[in-house]
Amino acid sequence: GQNIDQPTEMTATEGAIVQINCTYQTSGFNGLFWYQQHAGEAPTFLSYNVLDGLEEKGRFSSFLSRSKGYSYLLLKELQMKDSASYLCAVQDSNYQLIWGAGTKLIIKP
Amino acid sequence: DGGITQSPKYLFRKEGQNVTLSCEQNLNHDAMYWYRQDPGQGLRLIYYSQIVNDFQKGDIAEGYSVSREKKESFPLTVTSAQKNPTAFYLCASSMIAGEGTDTQYFGPGTRLTVL
Repeated sequence: GQNIDQPTEMTATEGAIVQINCTYQTSGFNGLFWYQQHAGEAPTFLSYNVLDGLEEKGRFSSFLSRSKGYSYLLLKELQMKDSASYLCAVQDSNYQLIWGAGTKLIIKP
Repeated sequence: DGGITQSPKYLFRKEGQNVTLSCEQNLNHDAMYWYRQDPGQGLRLIYYSQIVNDFQKGDIAEGYSVSREKKESFPLTVTSAQKNPTAFYLCASSMIAGEGTDTQYFGPGTRLTVL
């Protein structure tokens, strides 16, 4: 079967750095997406990785290792507004998105 | 402003009633999707459409129906056959399904509660 694993919840301190991991087992791979979702709102696109390596976008970076079926989202200089759920999704061989359950990130002052 | 709209934001219905959720986009996207989100679970695909007058079942299509008569619109009907319809429903769209970075963009969602 297809499976995406992420930690259910993480806690971090304002101003710190946090890494949210995602491991996947899917039938084929055509890219990995990270989305941010605030409570009660729609997911918003953060990043896309299809090749191995690190993609940096401001305070957020995303890393992919296809051989290990692994990705992480790195958030630097955490702000209170970063409190949200972070969703990992993999595009399979049919170009359908397989979604993880999301990681709820709690930021403490 | 370009975007995806869903209405209403909150919807209450009695058990046994059909209800239709609206989704409109003015992004000129070809593909549109309906997802359901339940607490503690990933998004689950209900239906998707890559072109007008054509749509495909997703993983959990039973008890739902859709239409795609216009490129901009993709309404979802939750029928009385859906066993557990209370959920947060999300509509999304993307440029071209099945190719490259067809990033999906989401509407604000409709929270349906069946009493």
